Amino acid sequence: NAGVTQTPKFQVLKTGQSMTLQCAQDMNHEYMSWYRQDPGMGLRLIHYSVGAGITDQGEVPNGYNVSRSTTEDFPLRLLSAAPSQTSVYFCASSYSWTGVPDTQYFGPGTRLTVL
Amino acid sequence: DQQVKQNSPSLSVQEGRISILNCDYTNSMFDYFLWYKKYPAEGPTFLISISSIKDKNEDGRFTVFLNKSAKHLSLHIVPSQPGDSAVYFCAASGNNDMRFGAGTRLTVKP
Repeated sequence: NAGVTQTPKFQVLKTGQSMTLQCAQDMNHEYMSWYRQDPGMGLRLIHYSVGAGITDQGEVPNGYNVSRSTTEDFPLRLLSAAPSQTSVYFCASSYSWTGVPDTQYFGPGTRLTVL
Repeated sequence: DQQVKQNSPSLSVQEGRISILNCDYTNSMFDYFLWYKKYPAEGPTFLISISSIKDKNEDGRFTVFLNKSAKHLSLHIVPSQPGDSAVYFCAASGNNDMRFGAGTRLTVKP
């Protein structure tokens, strides 16, 4: 199993550009999520999905879109990049989320810089 | 508002000694707590967890203690090893919400 994979590893954007961060898992996990990590802030939840076709907002969803057309993939779209979106982005998945969180498996992260 | 706080950004201990990492939370709805470990250029990996119905959970060298009245949890690593050097995040979950602390960088010196 490859686990959770993320592409690209690094990306530099100009303000106003759009892009998609890719995330895929091969563990048949129902639950997938996107976090951003900023210095002194820990990990903050952007969006999550409890299954194909179902997504919901997390703590910091503004400026980001997600969709979940398959169990395996959960892309994160930046509609119009802003310097405030400079961060490290982590995708995670777990077997389920039924009130008590199952162990989440994280991808290696994407380091995004917006100029 | 940071509902989960790790007030020590860094901690340095000698190999073989005990490492104690602390975490405080403010939301009384949190009922499940986790610790994750992160090496540079990698994603966090799950380390240990504890439910609010317990006050202690042990897994090998790692023990997590929960004091619900103080809204405080701690991770003890005994004995500490150089390979334990990493950033440790605590996380708190409840009511379909999960929040992470800012992390503590642990350095274990040989």
